[in-house]
Amino acid sequence: QQQVKQSPQSLIVQKGGISIINCAYENTAFDYFPWYQQFPGKGPALLIAIRPDVSEKKEGRFTISFNKSAKQFSLHIMDSQPGDSATYFCAASSTDSWGKLQFGAGTQVVVTP
Amino acid sequence: DSGVTQTPKHLITATGQRVTLRCSPRSGDLSVYWYQQSLDQGLQFLIQYYNGEERAKGNILERFSAQQFPDLHSELNLSSLELGDSALYFCASSVASGGQPQHFGDGTRLSIL
Repeated sequence: QQQVKQSPQSLIVQKGGISIINCAYENTAFDYFPWYQQFPGKGPALLIAIRPDVSEKKEGRFTISFNKSAKQFSLHIMDSQPGDSATYFCAASSTDSWGKLQFGAGTQVVVTP
Repeated sequence: DSGVTQTPKHLITATGQRVTLRCSPRSGDLSVYWYQQSLDQGLQFLIQYYNGEERAKGNILERFSAQQFPDLHSELNLSSLELGDSALYFCASSVASGGQPQHFGDGTRLSIL
């Protein structure tokens, strides 16, 4: 059973455009929500993370929006670049489960020149 | 470079065999997590160790076992290998556990022939 549902499965965006990836969860005990970026042949790299006490966090061109009541969070990639072409995973964990991450299924992002 | 080292990068073996995957966490990190990534199951949590002690278990098969040594490196042992065990195996480490950033190695690609 997928505890974190991620959409879309893939998306194509033009250079300079905005990429938006959405995730939803059911477990209200989740208290840490990271996003990872993965390139072929590499491990997932931590991109940005948020905790439920804030509704938005921005780091450079990457922004997480968090809606606690809807149990949803999303990643926005502004001014998308060809180098952003990768697979993105949302994840969630709870302190009472020792931080094990539950991952979404992943979104393959392709940024066209 | 995440600072997490996994060896070997690739492993090719036959059904019924046993293999050992090794992980060296980032300097100062006490927690080690193991994850399996496959096309049909995505990224799945297997097991976590904190300072030498097992803390959390996921859907890890009984044929799989792990341990964390006093120098904090960890090994994942896979035995009686089946074709379906072919996957990428990732190790991640964090300073502590429960809502701490996890940093991933580049994985071991296991191919069962």
